[in-house]
Amino acid sequence: QSALTQPRSVSGSPGQSVTISCTGTSSDVGGYNYVSWYQQHPGKAPKLMIYDVSKRPSGVPDRFSGSKSGNTASLTISGLQAEDEADYYCCSYAGSYTVFGGGTKLTVL
Amino acid sequence: QVQLVQSGAEVKKPGASVKVSCKASGYTFTSYGISWVRQAPGQGLEWMGWISAYNGNTNYAQKLQGRVTMTTDTSTSTAYMELRSLRSDDTAVYYCARTDPPVTNDYWGQGTLVTVSS
Repeated sequence: QSALTQPRSVSGSPGQSVTISCTGTSSDVGGYNYVSWYQQHPGKAPKLMIYDVSKRPSGVPDRFSGSKSGNTASLTISGLQAEDEADYYCCSYAGSYTVFGGGTKLTVL
Repeated sequence: QVQLVQSGAEVKKPGASVKVSCKASGYTFTSYGISWVRQAPGQGLEWMGWISAYNGNTNYAQKLQGRVTMTTDTSTSTAYMELRSLRSDDTAVYYCARTDPPVTNDYWGQGTLVTVSS
């Protein structure tokens, strides 16, 4: 049950777009359309941003979008804002268990 | 509104057990599952397991098998996570989350800090 692979950090300027990747295997990301993404600010609980690869819960801005190709899922944030600075985690179903990515720190320059 | 309220911080000695509660409100408890996720200091999220509030079925992370038990009390809409034989590396913030299976964790508790120290 290995963690999904995410870049440790990404950065972008306000208004720009950034993409965070999440690489797994055919047993998790590639095998199911059940990938979710979470935003976590320091000292706070995670917040669901994307589910089922590309669906957005109500209240999440449409600047956040998700996609998947093969064994890699991606979260794209367009029109970066200062409040987007946070840690982001991907999560995938893997049959009998669930696995998270190691997390990516997004810095808004 | 959906809320998950967890029990307070705990300090335990190595080898002891801890039981964390998660009281749900604002939705039909048995229509969703509850997942437990922990986060060691400065580290990422780690999935611990999931319980169906409908029938009590569970799935646990392989590394915790034999040490963790997840239960629910539908009469009080409360989920519980018990972790036994605590070690120092179990020190973490423990979260419960409402789960629309399999991995849509849409509402989270505030977290419970469990510190394991002699």
